[in-house]
Amino acid sequence: DAKTTQPNSMESNEEEPVHLPCNHSTISGTDYIHWYRQLPSQGPEYVIHGLTSNVNNRMASLAIAEDRKSSTLILHRATLRDAAVYYCILRDVRTGGTSYGKLTFGQGTILTVHP
Amino acid sequence: DVKVTQSSRYLVKRTGEKVFLECVQDMDHENMFWYRQDPGLGLRLIYFSYDVKMKEKGDIPEGYSVSREKKERFSLILESASTNQTSMYLCASSLFLADGYTFGSGTRLTVV
Repeated sequence: DAKTTQPNSMESNEEEPVHLPCNHSTISGTDYIHWYRQLPSQGPEYVIHGLTSNVNNRMASLAIAEDRKSSTLILHRATLRDAAVYYCILRDVRTGGTSYGKLTFGQGTILTVHP
Repeated sequence: DVKVTQSSRYLVKRTGEKVFLECVQDMDHENMFWYRQDPGLGLRLIYFSYDVKMKEKGDIPEGYSVSREKKERFSLILESASTNQTSMYLCASSLFLADGYTFGSGTRLTVV
């Protein structure tokens, strides 16, 4: 399975933008890039996902490199509620593939937001 | 919004007991998943199901089984609970496999 590499931790100040990087140099053509976050004592929460093009939603933006070997989750204005562990995950959706449907979580990035 | 409900938030069971963890989703999702989360190990996939009565092993299925008799309900079964199955158990669902998952709040199981 293609793996992702994220920094262990990052810090930000409130109301500033945050760029969370993720490397996935062995990504395959059928891997979607998903981002989730997990607040303390809660289940993970879906943030955003994409395949090739940059994506925006109400929570964040996802910038995907042209070669797809890296991506960046962008929180435009961090709030204290954004303090969480952020997971970058590759999702293989090939029918019959060995990792079909699996969403394998790594260790993620712990984001600390300072007031 | 899709809701994934796990029947218990906290559970304490004795070694050797048969344990049932229940998960129900309310949006007619095809796919359902069971994970466990442990400090330092992250989330690990136990089993998943992409249709009623269908199941697939995840990365750590040993010691577990699952049941999906109805589309909305996916049960995780610990046939004979052991202390190394003490963990946070998370259920999730998705409509299509390429979609984002919706997770439940988790069940913290302690086996004594």
